[in-house]
Formats: sequence, C-alpha cells, structure tokens
Amino acid sequence: NAGVTQTPKFQVLKTGQSMTLQCAQDMNHEYMSWYRQDPGMGLRLIHYSVGAGITDQGEVPNGYNVSRSTTEDFPLRLLSAAPSQTSVYFCASSRGQGGVTEAFFGQGTRLTVV
Amino acid sequence: AQSVTQLDSHVSVSEGTPVLLRCNYSSSYSPSLFWYVQHPNKGLQLLLKYTSAATLVKGINGFEAEFKKSETSFHLTKPSAHMSDAAEYFCVVSASNSGYALNFGKGTSLLVTP
Repeated sequence: NAGVTQTPKFQVLKTGQSMTLQCAQDMNHEYMSWYRQDPGMGLRLIHYSVGAGITDQGEVPNGYNVSRSTTEDFPLRLLSAAPSQTSVYFCASSRGQGGVTEAFFGQGTRLTVV
Repeated sequence: AQSVTQLDSHVSVSEGTPVLLRCNYSSSYSPSLFWYVQHPNKGLQLLLKYTSAATLVKGINGFEAEFKKSETSFHLTKPSAHMSDAAEYFCVVSASNSGYALNFGKGTSLLVTP
C-alpha cells in the first residue's frame, strides 16, 4: 500500500519558472491538503480539498494553484516561482467524512528557488 | 477559527527523565487534536489523537496526552525519555469548519542528552 506519494523529492527552480508538484494517494481519501514547512514556522496550510472538484484556500495560498479532478490526485502548481517559495512541501490526505481521522503525509518535496 | 500554541520552542531532557511538551489550543468548534513527530529529514508520523472520546490519550512509543477543556491544553508526556525520542514535535488542531485541514503549532524541538 503506497499511501501518499509525492514527486519529485527535490527540485531546483529559477525565479519565474513554473512547475507542478505531484501528489497521489491510493486510500480513497476525500480530504487532501498541501502544506509548506519553513524553519520555526511549523507547517502552514496552502490549499485544501474536501473532494473531487472542490478546493479552498488555506493560510498562505498566494502564488499557488490547485485542482482536484480525481479523488486520487491533488497537484500543486507554482505559477511563477519566487525565492520566498523555497521550502519543504508536504501533501496529506485523510478520510475525514464522519469524523476526523489521521492524516497521512507524503515524504515531502524540497524546493529551492534561485 | 482554531489554532494551537506550543509554549516551548526547545526542550532538553536527560535520557531516562520525564518529557513534557506543552500545547494550548483555541477553537470555536469541538476540536480534534493531534501530536505529530518529525525526525530529521523525515516525514511526519502520528503519535496520538484526541477526538472527544477519553480525555487521556495513549499513543505510540510510550507517549500520552491529556485533553483539559478547562485549561484548553493538550500537553504531551512520556515517563522516561530515550535517545531516539529526539525530534521535532507538532501539536495540531482540526475542525470541521475548515474541511478538516490541520492547523499546526510552530513545533517543539526535543533534545535528549545521555
């Protein structure tokens, strides 16, 4: 059982480039979300989705887009990368419906914008 | 809105002594609370969760936490620290009004000395 799979694990971008961070889960979870982790800041919510076709903004959504066309996939798009987006990104999924359950996290994507 | 405050950014204990990591929460809804652990350069692992059942919650690796509504606290404890407990610990709150997305505290770095 793969759980939550993020790709790539590492990425270096130049300022202004765009890219998509991939996230896929095989647990049929309704809820998926993206976080960024910066030193001393914990994990901050970027965007989340409560089901296919439904997304919403979190605490730090600027500069990022998401879509949820299937239950399994929740890609995060950086439209025009900036050095301030250098961070470690985590995708998570949880069952959610009927009560809060454990969130499962991917292994993270370490992104550097130069 | 819901949030958590981790009262200590760093905690240092000797091996074999008790561990106390403090967390206060704020939530206008009945919250679900979690503790996650992150070892260096690793993903996040769930230690334990509170979802309105028993107020004393037991987790993995000997950790436990007590939900105290009157004090709005959810402190993490362990009777005897091991070297392998050295890691970053996150207190997390979730509520139904945000799609069950997780709000993280800023983390407590636990150092265990021989």
